[in-house]
Amino acid sequence: KQEVTQIPAALSVPEGENLVLNCSFTDSAIYNLQWFRQDPGKGLTSLLLIQSSQREQTSGRLNASLDKSSGRSTLYIAASQPGDSATYLCAVNSGGYQKVTFGIGTKLQVIP
Amino acid sequence: GAVVSQHPSWVICKSGTSVKIECRSLDFQATTMFWYRQFPKQSLMLMATSNEGSKATYEQGVEKDKFLINHASLTLSTLTVTSAHPEDSSFYICSARVPRAGEQFFGPGTRLTVL
Repeated sequence: KQEVTQIPAALSVPEGENLVLNCSFTDSAIYNLQWFRQDPGKGLTSLLLIQSSQREQTSGRLNASLDKSSGRSTLYIAASQPGDSATYLCAVNSGGYQKVTFGIGTKLQVIP
Repeated sequence: GAVVSQHPSWVICKSGTSVKIECRSLDFQATTMFWYRQFPKQSLMLMATSNEGSKATYEQGVEKDKFLINHASLTLSTLTVTSAHPEDSSFYICSARVPRAGEQFFGPGTRLTVL
């Protein structure tokens, strides 16, 4: 059974800082890994999708890396802004039926 | 990217009533859709996998008679919470998988409150 862990659970940083969010998973036989953003009381916004054959994906100030063999992914946010404040979820697609398992998320607060 | 909609976005109902939530893929056909539930301060948990034209596959611990899933077309799946109780109050999110790509696109979610 796939298990996804995200560290830290919460993070507070001043505006402008670069930061790294971590995600680890127990079963390395994955199809892909996605990072999402969730604002309070809202749905999910997909940020980046990394296929199992890829090492990283970039979108604007976001960069996600994947090390499948070690079961790790990181989300790097450059020059953080108050608008980046949200919960960031890591989701791993794996298993014979391609089920998605979510981590509990990292709650990020960027202080102006 | 592909767009998935959900209706309603929120619903309040009395205990004992049934509530239907719709999930639609707007610009692609989805043979497989998924239903998730998210309790406060917890992550999303997969409830069931919905395959077009066949019965849904439920995760362990999810009552199939209470959470009825119908995937009658390639663009629509419905989740009906039957005889809802306050403990069913939650945020329900659906997703649809793009064929071959493996990527799932998520709906905006439905906030269910059972009084």
